[in-house]
Amino acid sequence: EPEVTQTPSHQVTQMGQEVILRCVPISNHLYFYWYRQILGQKVEFLVSFYNNEISEKSEIFDDQFSVERPDGSNFTLKIRSTKLEDSAMYFCASSGGGSVADTQYFGPGTRLTVL
Amino acid sequence: AQSVTQPDIHITVSEGASLELRCNYSYGATPYLFWYVQSPGQGLQLLLKYFSGDTLVQGIKGFEAEFKRSQSSFNLRKPSVHWSDAAEYFCAVAPRSNDYKLSFGAGTTVTVRA
Repeated sequence: EPEVTQTPSHQVTQMGQEVILRCVPISNHLYFYWYRQILGQKVEFLVSFYNNEISEKSEIFDDQFSVERPDGSNFTLKIRSTKLEDSAMYFCASSGGGSVADTQYFGPGTRLTVL
Repeated sequence: AQSVTQPDIHITVSEGASLELRCNYSYGATPYLFWYVQSPGQGLQLLLKYFSGDTLVQGIKGFEAEFKRSQSSFNLRKPSVHWSDAAEYFCAVAPRSNDYKLSFGAGTTVTVRA
């Protein structure tokens, strides 16, 4: 069964450093998402992406964040200058269609630790 | 304010016993409703979803959920749990609009004892 993959599984970085989290969505999917979960808190929506542009973003997704589909298979989340509060599990998801009726398939997550 | 609540942080259940996980939502109109499961080291997997129609929804892995409009609830059930059901379970909602984002509850961790 096709699945969403994410690398790395765990990333440790120093505050102020840039990080790039990588995701490979399911191959025929067109809609991509990032969510995050701070330890002990809810999973929160960050951004959705379609046709090489952001469809929607949350308040969390400020100028420090960016997303990109650099090639036909990868979908990345970049944090320009990490803060301690960016420590969280980051989930990538993809769906075949763009409505909420289309199931979002999630990857296993990348745990980001900012020191 | 719109919200989704899972009142139980952690539930322990014996193998073979029944399981019920609670989910309540607060939205202006009935949203789309989902249950996801996350096993250790795995991504979030969709168990079932409710959009309209029959209020009892069947999902994968023997799970079902019942939508109760009067109680703003969407509780997940399984008649007989297996050790492999030990995982974290998330209720999620999405508004009835062309809106891509899911809003998740805090999750319920299920431990299965032999």
